[in-house]
Amino acid sequence: DTGVSQNPRHKITKRGQNVTFRCDPISEHNRLYWYRQTLGQGPEFLTYFQNEAQLEKSRLLSDRFSAERPKGSFSTLEIQRTEQGDSAMYLCASSLTPTGRNTEAFFGQGTRLTVV
Amino acid sequence: AQSVTQLDSQVPVFEEAPVELRCNYSSSVSVYLFWYVQYPNQGLQLLLKYLSGSTLVKGINGFEAEFNKSQTSFHLRKPSVHISDTAEYFCAVSSLGFQKLVFGTGTRLLVSP
Repeated sequence: DTGVSQNPRHKITKRGQNVTFRCDPISEHNRLYWYRQTLGQGPEFLTYFQNEAQLEKSRLLSDRFSAERPKGSFSTLEIQRTEQGDSAMYLCASSLTPTGRNTEAFFGQGTRLTVV
Repeated sequence: AQSVTQLDSQVPVFEEAPVELRCNYSSSVSVYLFWYVQYPNQGLQLLLKYLSGSTLVKGINGFEAEFNKSQTSFHLRKPSVHISDTAEYFCAVSSLGFQKLVFGTGTRLLVSP
């Protein structure tokens, strides 16, 4: 297994356009998380899935953002009508359902979004 | 709700010197604690974690951290740093359900020869 994979690594888009990012988690992991990291800040939680169910969404996830995990495997994060404030690194992570010592999240390398 | 404070935004240190990166957290419930490292334009790599048991936790690359419940701290230490340790370090906390991680703002460790 090569770990959590995110595509694309970089995306430049014009304001007002829609963008979609993909995350492929570690294959046996049933939890998948999305975070956003702006320059000079720590990652901020956006949402997470247990299998295909989206169990929690941050208030940071405005109605322009939508995430899906249709078959409990890969996930997509779509941003509609992008704004310059959406420019950030979008990080995906995955984990097993925590039971004791396996409690940890593995992160992908992120997708850097630049809105011009 | 949980929060994490990393008071030092940047820590300069000479190679082979010891270093401590400070982390304090706030939570009304029991927590798990983590330290992650991030190299430029990369994702986060787990250095170490405290789940339960011994309060002194050893991680990868010679790092260790000590959980202090009374002081709500989880400081990261390394007895002798290398140039390659130059990176951003993030402390994070989660509730025992591990639904999400709450991160601090990070500490940039700058190791010079």
